Amino acid sequence: DIQMTQSPSSLSASVGDRVAITCRASQSIGSYLNWYQQKPGKAPKLLIYATSSLQSGVPSRFSGSGSGTDFTLTINNLQPEDFATYYCQQSYSTPPERTFGQGTKVEIK
Amino acid sequence: QVQLQESGPGLVKPSETLSLTCTVSDGSIRSYYWSWVRQPPGKGLEWIGYIFDTGSTSYNPSLKSRVTISVDTSKNQFSLKLTSVTAADTAVYYCARDRQWLVEGALTYYYYYAMDVWGQGTTVTVSS
Repeated sequence: DIQMTQSPSSLSASVGDRVAITCRASQSIGSYLNWYQQKPGKAPKLLIYATSSLQSGVPSRFSGSGSGTDFTLTINNLQPEDFATYYCQQSYSTPPERTFGQGTKVEIK
Repeated sequence: QVQLQESGPGLVKPSETLSLTCTVSDGSIRSYYWSWVRQPPGKGLEWIGYIFDTGSTSYNPSLKSRVTISVDTSKNQFSLKLTSVTAADTAVYYCARDRQWLVEGALTYYYYYAMDVWGQGTTVTVSS
């Protein structure tokens, strides 16, 4: 099974900050890495797929990078609506499973 | 815009079977993968499994012995059954569309998958 580990588990930041969240896979997953945002009481929302492709309607301050086992979600110019929990998720084809990271909560400093 | 809606009992007794249905509206269930994801109170997301419209499935190894996902294309629905539930199965259960993208790489094209449409979630509590 592929395990996904995010760091940090939580962070505090201010509006306007640049924030980086990392995700590490237990084996190489190529570019099969997605990022989701979840706000309390709501369903997750897809932000980025295939490591760096921005989902339609997602602001350009969100970006993704990486390959193999190490990936990063970067949020530039953090906005009040960005305070949420972020999850990475692998969709590597072999085995054909999906695994989420444990989540990173972005809180207001 | 396609919409998903989960339905099913909110309370299930220990050792019984949890059954949920996801109805797909304003879109077709055909030619997509469809996933179930759950989230225990205060915890992270856990992928349960997915199904393609042909009936092909893949399950989380940790739940595989207890999970069955099925599809009814005539009703535009897919369903989840989880047997022998315990309190640890108490969670919000989400259904989601697991969409395929074709992305150009350096030498060829690659298929990528991500859950782009989600239901609102339904809370299932396991308790006697």
